[in-house]
Order: sequence, then C-alpha cells, then structure tokens
Amino acid sequence: GQQVMQIPQYQHVQEGEDFTTYCNSSTTLSNIQWYKQRPGGHPVFLIQLVKSGEVKKQKRLTFQFGEAKKNSSLHITATQTTDVGTYFCAGGQLSGGSYIPTFGRGTSLIVHP
Amino acid sequence: DSGVTQTPKHLITATGQRVTLRCSPRSGDLSVYWYQQSLDQGLQFLIQYYNGEERAKGNILERFSAQQFPDLHSELNLSSLELGDSALYFCASSVVGLAGNQETQYFGPGTRLLVL
Repeated sequence: GQQVMQIPQYQHVQEGEDFTTYCNSSTTLSNIQWYKQRPGGHPVFLIQLVKSGEVKKQKRLTFQFGEAKKNSSLHITATQTTDVGTYFCAGGQLSGGSYIPTFGRGTSLIVHP
Repeated sequence: DSGVTQTPKHLITATGQRVTLRCSPRSGDLSVYWYQQSLDQGLQFLIQYYNGEERAKGNILERFSAQQFPDLHSELNLSSLELGDSALYFCASSVVGLAGNQETQYFGPGTRLLVL
C-alpha cells in the first residue's frame, strides 16, 4: 500500500531560525495536503498542492510539490514561538474511484525563545 | 472552532466493551471522515461517508463500524475493545470530498478513548 514518509520526526530550533519538513511517497500522489496540530489540539488544514512542481506561499510558510508528485516540503522562514506544533503531510491517492489520504507521521517543531 | 463537534470528549472503558463515538459535521458538509491517532501508528484514515453512504475505507478493523445518518451526523462503533484501541479518534468533514478533488477537511476536537 501507499506509504508516506516524513522527516525529521522532531526539530528543535531557536526562534528566528528556519525550519523544513519533508514528505516522500512510495507512489505518485493525486495531491498533497499539509496540516498543523498544536499540542492538545486537532489537525488544522493549511494548504493543498495539486500540480507537479507547484509552489505556494502563506506569509512565512512555503510549500512545494515535487515534479514527480512523489515528494513535498514545507519551509518556515524565521520561526516564531507560535509556530510550535506538529506538521503533517497527507498524500492523496485515488483507489477504486475514491480518495484515500495517507498521513505522514508528522514533524514536531519545538521553537526555543 | 472548526464547526465540527464530537462527543464524548473523553471515554474510559474496559477491554471487551463496546463504545459509540458521535460526530456532527459542519453545517452544509456532506462528507464525514474518521481517523485514529495513536502514538505508535500516527494519524490513520479509517473510513469516509458521503451523504449517508460509505465512500472510502482505510485501515478500519472489522471490530469497528460506522454509519452516517440522514441528518448527516455520524457514529463510529468500536466493539470488543482491546488495550491497543486506546487512541484519539477524530472526525473531519468536508463539503463534498469528491475523488481526485480532495476538499479541505475540517477536524473536530476528537474523542480520547482509554481502554483499561
């Protein structure tokens, strides 16, 4: 079955440093979504990428979808303490006419003030 | 607040028991998804319903079942509970959830299940 690997599992940064998390899929994806989950909270949708090579920006966050649609990354510039949380990617793949999302294990970002 | 509600918030039960988790989607959303989040397995997609009918199935055990009612709320039934079923169970909803055009999913606050 489809697997989505996400690295690193944890990342400690000093406030102001940059942060990147990477997702790799064993199969070609229809799309990829990114979510953020704060400690004790629920996943919150950030963005969806659909096109090969797509790059989207949200303020300090930059999302990329690989040319082969098998990998993706999320980059945060100049982290802030409010960025703390776990970032998940979710790869979408069509299966039997339905969309099956497969989540990466997430990268927990810890920002030290 | 995502607009998705889940009850109960916490549930403590014993092995072998059966529980029902309830989810009310956002107003206007036709699709409901169920997920299990545990420390060792991460976030796992269980099942999706669209307008009352099962749309997609993920890693859902045979001991688990779900349904979506005419008013679009959904219930996840977990039976013959085992210690390993202890986890956070999230419900999410989206407007349509069409294949190939994945809509934004709005997650509820989750139900934390502890099986003793």
